[in-house]
Amino acid sequence: DVVMTQSPLSLPVTLGQPASISCRSSQSLVHSDGNTFLNWLQQRPGQSPRRLIYNVFNRDSGVPDRFSGSGSGTDFTLKISRVEAEDVGIYYCMQASHWPHTFGQGTKLEI
Amino acid sequence: EVQLVESGGGLVQPGGSLRLSCSASGFTFNKYAMYWVRQAPGKGLEYVSIISTDGGTTNYADSVKGRFTISRDNSQNMLHFQMTSLRAEDTAVYYCVKGSDAWGKGTTVTVSS
Repeated sequence: DVVMTQSPLSLPVTLGQPASISCRSSQSLVHSDGNTFLNWLQQRPGQSPRRLIYNVFNRDSGVPDRFSGSGSGTDFTLKISRVEAEDVGIYYCMQASHWPHTFGQGTKLEI
Repeated sequence: EVQLVESGGGLVQPGGSLRLSCSASGFTFNKYAMYWVRQAPGKGLEYVSIISTDGGTTNYADSVKGRFTISRDNSQNMLHFQMTSLRAEDTAVYYCVKGSDAWGKGTTVTVSS
């Protein structure tokens, strides 16, 4: 199975300041069709996960543009340009290039 | 609006069975692969099963292979998950997921004597 490793696992931030989460995969996430199926999910306290970013850098509908994704191959990053209070929660990277799809351990973002 | 509503969770003894269901609406159900993902208490996320659009292809995580069966009824926009030989480590919230872009609220399965 592809192992997804996130860092840091805990991310204390100050409101209005930027934040960055790293995700590394144990093998390339470039699919045979040429796409890279790396997604970022947000799970707010007490809620279901919600996808923020798909295929490395595409924002889902309704996701604020302060969220951005980047990376390629095995190294990926989620950035929040200016953290807001509603961003508190756990962030997961997940890969859907190889079965079984796998998740990172999660990064807890707290103010 | 996409809606996924899970049901069927509950408390079951080790070795018992449960059948989870997911009612889907707001999208063309038969055009999307569907998944079950679980989250043990205080833990991260784990994909456990996938089913293709027509139900002809399924796959399972090793942790549930041979014990759980995923199925779908495209005429009723329903996803099902038959869980047998349940173990304490199967205790989790089970989410019905469309691709990775839509998640239900989850249904809780507790395996305990």
